Amino acid sequence: AQSVSQHNHHVILSEAASLELGCNYSYGGTVNLFWYVQYPGQHLQLLLKYFSGDPLVKGIKGFEAEFIKSKFSFNLRKPSVQWSDTAEYFCAVNEGTGFQKLVFGTGTRLLVSP
Amino acid sequence: GAGVSQSPSNKVTEKGKDVELRCDPISGHTALYWYRQSLGQGLEFLIYFQGNSAPDKSGLPSDRFSAERTGGSVSTLTIQRTQQEDSAVYLCASSARRKWGSLTDTQYFGPGTRLTVL
Repeated sequence: AQSVSQHNHHVILSEAASLELGCNYSYGGTVNLFWYVQYPGQHLQLLLKYFSGDPLVKGIKGFEAEFIKSKFSFNLRKPSVQWSDTAEYFCAVNEGTGFQKLVFGTGTRLLVSP
Repeated sequence: GAGVSQSPSNKVTEKGKDVELRCDPISGHTALYWYRQSLGQGLEFLIYFQGNSAPDKSGLPSDRFSAERTGGSVSTLTIQRTQQEDSAVYLCASSARRKWGSLTDTQYFGPGTRLTVL
């Protein structure tokens, strides 16, 4: 079965620090990849997605992610975090052959101190 | 435009009672999904509806769980004889369409229903 691993469960950074959150998935076929964010008290929102094409994907709020097929990875990055980036981040995958069930990682809680 | 809405936002029930959770997808979205977010378990897929096709129920954890979607729009998730382990946030998502072998549409999530079983 498809699985998604997020290795960092809790990350604490100071403002202006760089961020990289790891995401690895297990499926070897065609995949679609997503990062969702859940700000405190809010619902899940899409940060960015990869379907095909350029493996470096840019999303909202200065986030980007790179799909590295050989490593089964889709790490999320931001060069300079802000206090408002404090949230929980979820990596998700679905198989690219039609059925759109999302398989989520367990999430990473990011705390950015001002 | 309006997003996915869910009701109630919070539900507290006693063990053994039945509960119904409602989801209103984004207008025009043909696909609807239910997920469950449990403490320490992350987000788990429960069930998926696409148009008039038979739903995929492969994620339902037991036969106490069922869902229906009326008129291709509103969906209700029913949990019978609730147990304490059913306590979680139940999330609904919708997407515009399903395409084979190519781009898939993004799932947009509702705010969830927080279910507490005492």
